[in-house]
Amino acid sequence: GAVVSQHPSRVICKSGTSVKIECRSLDFQATTMFWYRQFPKQSLMLMATSNEGSKATYEQGVEKDKFLINHASLTLSTLTVTSAHPEDSSFYICSANTRGAGGETQYFGPGTRLLVL
Amino acid sequence: AQSVTQPDIHITVSEGASLELRCNYSYGATPYLFWYVQSPGQGLQLLLKYFSGDTLVQGIKGFEAEFKRSQSSFNLRKPSVHWSDAAEYFCAVDLNTGNQFYFGTGTSLTVIP
Repeated sequence: GAVVSQHPSRVICKSGTSVKIECRSLDFQATTMFWYRQFPKQSLMLMATSNEGSKATYEQGVEKDKFLINHASLTLSTLTVTSAHPEDSSFYICSANTRGAGGETQYFGPGTRLLVL
Repeated sequence: AQSVTQPDIHITVSEGASLELRCNYSYGATPYLFWYVQSPGQGLQLLLKYFSGDTLVQGIKGFEAEFKRSQSSFNLRKPSVHWSDAAEYFCAVDLNTGNQFYFGTGTSLTVIP
């Protein structure tokens, strides 16, 4: 199946700093990537849809100035958590779409665990 | 509003026993349906998916799921559970309106020896 990577897998930062998370589709091109956030013991919540070459579409309640998304190429999307605070600590997962004979399928990255001190 | 429901928050089964995880969706048309598994601290792995055609779908690791339109359900099954199947399982739907996924709240599976 298609492979999606995330970097870093784990990051610890001080409150007030910014953190960038990369999402790459390794063996396919993805015009659309998605960013999710998962709190402990809870399901994934879609944060935003990232389209190559255009602005991201954010879900209601997600601050676009805080969670900056850049989809610079067909294989890379980045999420930057600006001025991170402890409440931003979470598990961030990206996914990318690939189209096959059976339709479109999302493949997920391994996730990035962010801890803000 | 569209929704995905996984009624069982937590299930415990004995190794070797059969397993069924429930998933119901609320949507006017038939969405694309998926089951994902998440091991602790890991990302999501696709187990299987249903787009159209045969309503009984075979997936990886011996899992299968059956789409029942009349019940708006897409339950996941496995005839004999292995200890390594212990994980969190998520049902998801893609409404095909921008490829947005909606996830259920997940079912945590514990396997006892």
